Amino acid sequence: GDSVTQMEGPVTLSEEAFLTINCTYTATGYPSLFWYVQYPGEGLQLLLKATKADDKGSNKGFEATYRKETTSFHLEKGSVQVSDSAVYFCALLNTGGFKTIFGAGTRLFVKA
Amino acid sequence: DGGITQSPKYLFRKEGQNVTLSCEQNLNHDAMYWYRQDPGQGLRLIYYSQIVNDFQKGDIAEGYSVSREKKESFPLTVTSAQKNPTAFYLCASGLAGPTAEQYFGPGTRLTVT
Repeated sequence: GDSVTQMEGPVTLSEEAFLTINCTYTATGYPSLFWYVQYPGEGLQLLLKATKADDKGSNKGFEATYRKETTSFHLEKGSVQVSDSAVYFCALLNTGGFKTIFGAGTRLFVKA
Repeated sequence: DGGITQSPKYLFRKEGQNVTLSCEQNLNHDAMYWYRQDPGQGLRLIYYSQIVNDFQKGDIAEGYSVSREKKESFPLTVTSAQKNPTAFYLCASGLAGPTAEQYFGPGTRLTVT
């Protein structure tokens, strides 16, 4: 079945460091891919998405490119801030499906 | 403002009692979902509904029940049959379709002692 694998956390970075959170997926067909962010004690919010191969999703300085050849959707940000500290979830939604498949989440801590 | 509301934020119950968690949306979304999140873990799907008066079991439906009598509302009942009900419960909604993201409520933290 479909699945999403994310790098394990926590990831700890200093402010202004470069961020990469790896995400790979297994799916038949052509899924849509998402990154969601969860701040402490809150629900998830959509951060960005890409719906077809080679699409780049971007928002708030974060970006991720849908790579079908490597089945990956890695999240990157050039300069993180303390306010980016949160849990990040990679997810996929397959064609014809109503169930979004979420990765286990990666916790990010950014130190001032 | 459009969005999803869950109430209450915190809920405490004694073991053996059923409890119902509220979820309401005014986004005019057809699909609604309930997830369970345990500390340090991802989301697990409990139930989902694609349309009024219809719902399907997710991956961990045992010990839970839902109803979808109105488009805006998708309440979740945690029954006494759920062996380990203490968790953070998230409700979400979304449009139908293969590119549609989900919109999440703020969650309800249920503690059963």
